[in-house]
Amino acid sequence: ELKVEQNPLFLSMQEGKNYTIYCNYSTTSDRLYWYRQDPGKSLESLFVLLSNGAVKQEGRLMASLDTKARLSTLHITAAVHDLSATYFCAVFPSGTYKYIFGTGTRLKVLA
Amino acid sequence: DSGVTQTPKHLITATGQRVTLRCSPRSGDLSVYWYQQSLDQGLQFLIQYYNGEERAKGNILERFSAQQFPDLHSELNLSSLELGDSALYFCASSVGGQVSGNTIYFGEGSWLTVV
Repeated sequence: ELKVEQNPLFLSMQEGKNYTIYCNYSTTSDRLYWYRQDPGKSLESLFVLLSNGAVKQEGRLMASLDTKARLSTLHITAAVHDLSATYFCAVFPSGTYKYIFGTGTRLKVLA
Repeated sequence: DSGVTQTPKHLITATGQRVTLRCSPRSGDLSVYWYQQSLDQGLQFLIQYYNGEERAKGNILERFSAQQFPDLHSELNLSSLELGDSALYFCASSVGGQVSGNTIYFGEGSWLTVV
C-alpha cells in the first residue's frame, strides 16, 4: 500500500529556532510537492522538486529531495509566527495520475 | 486566488440526502481532481478527470460519483449522506493529465456538514 508519511505530525516551536519536517514515501515518484494550508483555507503550493538532489528555497523555507531514500525535507530557518500552518508533502507515483498527500505537519510558532 | 472556483462554499444537509458540489478549473487546465479532507482521515484523493474522461480513482465511496463536462467544469455528487461524510471537499486542477505530473492548484473548498 502506498504511504506518504510526515514526521512530526505536530510541531510547536519558538520564534527564531530552526527545525526540519520529514516526508517519507513508499513508492517511486517523479516529483515531490510541498503545500501550505492555513486553518479552514485552501492549499497553497510552495515547492515542486523535480529530481534527485533538488533543493529549493523561498524565504525561511528550504525543501530538498532524495529520491533514492524516498525522502524529502522541509527546513525552517529562524521561524516566525507567520509560518504557523499545516504543511503537506505530496507525491505523484510513477505511472499513475494521482497526487497522494502526506499526513500533514501542523506547525505552531510561538512568539 | 488560485483560479479554481468551487461552489457552494458551505452546505448543511440532513442524513440520507444528496448534494452536488461544483468546480470550475483554472483557465486552460484540463485535469480536475477531487479530495476529501476530514480531521481523522487527512487529505484523501477521490477521483481525477482529464478532458472529460476519468483517469484515476482513489478512495471514493460507491455513494459518490463525479463527472467532468465538455466545458471542463466538474461536479461531485454525494448521495445517501451519512454523518461521517461531513468534511471539506476540495477540487484542484492542473494543466494536463500526463504521467509526469504538474503542480495542482486547489480551490477554496466546499464545507459539507451532514446533520
